Amino acid sequence: DIVMTQSPDSLAVSLGERATINCKSSQSVSSNNKSYLTWYQQKPGQPPKLLIYWASTRESGVPDRFSGSGSGTDFTLTISSLQAEDVAVYYCHQCYSIPFTFGPGTKVDI
Amino acid sequence: EVQLVQSGAEVKKPGESLKISCEGSGYNFPSYSIAWVRQMPGKGLEWMGIIYPGDSDARYSPSFQGQVTISADKSINTAYLHWSSLKASDTAMYFCAKHKVAVATSSPFDSWGQGTLVTVSS
Repeated sequence: DIVMTQSPDSLAVSLGERATINCKSSQSVSSNNKSYLTWYQQKPGQPPKLLIYWASTRESGVPDRFSGSGSGTDFTLTISSLQAEDVAVYYCHQCYSIPFTFGPGTKVDI
Repeated sequence: EVQLVQSGAEVKKPGESLKISCEGSGYNFPSYSIAWVRQMPGKGLEWMGIIYPGDSDARYSPSFQGQVTISADKSINTAYLHWSSLKASDTAMYFCAKHKVAVATSSPFDSWGQGTLVTVSS
């Protein structure tokens, strides 16, 4: 199985400041110039929401303060200017090989 | 509008069976795989398995293989998650999620059900 790790476990960022979350996979999740790495946002009491897929493609309707980067085994989610509504847990996820696996999550607070 | 609507919360006793459902609408249900994801209380997300409703081909995480059965009925646009004998450790929220890319197995999930809370207690 591909093991996904995230760092930090949690972070507190001031409103308007940048938040950076790292995700590492135990083996490459990239192939043929495509990275099978997804970022989800989950707020309390809600299902997860798709933010970024193929490592850097923003889902329709997602604010452009959210961006993703990386390839191979190392990936990053950046929130360029944190807003109050961004308080949530963020998960990375690989859909490269079955069993698809999630990272443990990073809690973002103000 | 794409929607996944899951069946309601369940309270069961250990050893009982259970089948929960996930009905899709607003898209061509047979062509997009459905995944099931577990979230235990206060914990993270765990991928359980997927099913392609077009041919009912199901794949499982080794952690859940033999513990649950994933099925689908494309005639009524519904996927299912079934337990034959529940344990207390099955207490969790269960989400279904639709693959973003038609037919493809390797795809992110672009729509999620609201979740079904399963409580198993004697």
